[in-house]
Formats: sequence, C-alpha cells, structure tokens
Amino acid sequence: DTAVSQTPKYLVTQMGNDKSIKCEQNLGHDTMYWYKQDSKKFLKIMFSYNNKELIINETVPNRFSPKSPDKAHLNLHINSLELGDSAVYFCASSQDRLNIQYFGAGTRLSVL
Amino acid sequence: KNEVEQSPQNLTAQEGEFITINCSYSVGISALHWLQQHPGGGIVSLFMLSSGKKKHGRLIATINIQEKHSSLHITASHPRDSAVYICAVRPSGSRLTFGEGTQLTVNP
Repeated sequence: DTAVSQTPKYLVTQMGNDKSIKCEQNLGHDTMYWYKQDSKKFLKIMFSYNNKELIINETVPNRFSPKSPDKAHLNLHINSLELGDSAVYFCASSQDRLNIQYFGAGTRLSVL
Repeated sequence: KNEVEQSPQNLTAQEGEFITINCSYSVGISALHWLQQHPGGGIVSLFMLSSGKKKHGRLIATINIQEKHSSLHITASHPRDSAVYICAVRPSGSRLTFGEGTQLTVNP
C-alpha cells in the first residue's frame, strides 16, 4: 500500500483553468505538506497543515488554496492557472511537526 | 546566498568508490534531513539527525552543529545509488529549507 499517494501523477492543462491535486496518507500522521519543485529542481514549502489546521503558509499566490477535509487528506486547488505554475508538486506527511517526512510520488503540472 | 549550500553540485564516480556529499548551513537548526530523489522523481527520506552520526546500510550521515556542517557518505557505491541527494534543515517548527541538491552518477 502506498503510504502517501497523490493524484493525478501528470496534469496538462490550459492557462486560465482551475485544477486540483489530491493527496492522501495512510500512515496516521498528524502533519501534511505541499512542496513545489521548480525547473531547477529546487524544493520549496508552500503549505503545512497539522490536524487539519494551517500552520505554514508561505508566500504563494492566493490562487493556490489548500483544503484538508480530515487529517489524512490535504488537497491543493489552483485557480486561473498560469505558465509559471508549471512544476512538480509534492505532498508529504510526518507523524508530527518535528519528525521525518514521507513524500508522495509527485504531480507534474504542465500549463500550456 | 541560500541558507543551505551543498557541494559538489555534480559528482561522477566509478562503482565501488567512497562518496562524500557536503552540506553547510547558515542558521541555527533543530534538525537536518538528507533526502534522495530518484531519476524517476520520487523522493525518499534517508536520515534525520540533530547530532553525531547515523548509519543505514552503506549510507552514513554525520553532523557537526558547531561548524554548521553535515556530510553524507556512501561506501562501496553502486550505479543504483545514482540520484539527486538533497540536504534540508529545520530552523524551527516544521518548515524545511532545502539545498539545491547534488546530482550523483555512479558508473559501472
């Protein structure tokens, strides 16, 4: 069973569209994260939730909105997609805020 | 200048060689992570350490808090070790700050 699963794995869409990426973890972890990896392979934190509550919100456009319906899920919704949003988005989870993080396989988003 | 600097950026080795990847950071931290990103893109956590040394199989990670420096060593390297190795530090709370990664290629 995959511990941290993201869907879809690939997402190709037009500028201006709205899209969502889903993330689920079956590890019983309290904390979940979204990271963006740009074309230079540099990872940056976007959001972190602990027990469904937002604890990290980096400077990302308001077009990005995370939603955590329960502590096993952290979905990422993106409105009005732009070319610069093209990247690989990784979801991760950890037992608590201070523990090792387990990563999903990534979602490669291409905005045309 | 990044808070986390890795060296080298690229490293090519022959199978069997001993490999060292370095990570220096400029802030006080509560923990340091080493991650491995496979050619297919998947990311795996290798180590989390806040002092001393940890070993897992052929991988060894060390950290010197006073010098703000960590090293990842791979003994008896193998082509399947080819990947990007990423150092990340946790200054406080749960936020990780990442280095740019070291691309390792191990040739048979």
